[in-house]
Amino acid sequence: DGGITQSPKYLFRKEGQNVTLSCEQNLNHDAMYWYRQDPGQGLRLIYYSQIVNDFQKGDIAEGYSVSREKKESFPLTVTSAQKNPTAFYLCATQGSGETQYFGPGTRLLVL
Amino acid sequence: RKEVEQDPGPFNVPEGATVAFNCTYSNSASQSFFWYRQDCRKEPKLLMSVYSSGNEDGRFTAQLNRASQYISLLIRDSKLSDSATYLCVVIPGGGSYIPTFGRGTSLIVHP
Repeated sequence: DGGITQSPKYLFRKEGQNVTLSCEQNLNHDAMYWYRQDPGQGLRLIYYSQIVNDFQKGDIAEGYSVSREKKESFPLTVTSAQKNPTAFYLCATQGSGETQYFGPGTRLLVL
Repeated sequence: RKEVEQDPGPFNVPEGATVAFNCTYSNSASQSFFWYRQDCRKEPKLLMSVYSSGNEDGRFTAQLNRASQYISLLIRDSKLSDSATYLCVVIPGGGSYIPTFGRGTSLIVHP
């Protein structure tokens, strides 16, 4: 079954804790993206990667980190430096046709 | 000026109505355009691409007006299941494939 998986579906973070959101794809797409969506707001780009072992900051990268060691995987770490992490986090891939495909998302909540 | 602008709505229409949304973009060199649909607490999903010659898929018609720098989405014979947020997406071109998302237009179709 092809597609994009994100886990967990819900994640709770304690103050001062780093948490990692998983994103895996088997679409063989080179580019992968992380977005944050706040209630009633649009998507804001956190980080993106257009090829393995390379990634770039998006518009709101502060307090986040990523890695791209494999084509299939693009995990996002929300660090303790991110003071307002509560949001819906979406991972997307992009193939050669420019269309983006999204995973089901992870909801991060702060305890 | 925001790069991609949409009227947030909500557009509240009865079943069977025809409704249209516009989305304006600021970069005249933008090369690709899409409409996505996002249901409440779900990920965005591609609804349709927008071609220079227009694009029709059943009850949905998308059009591009390069001179005035906007794209439109027309929904005919609205169904209750059309209730969602519709996101406009623009690819800037010029070697960049990073999409810019509008904040979305909310549609509510009522009986």
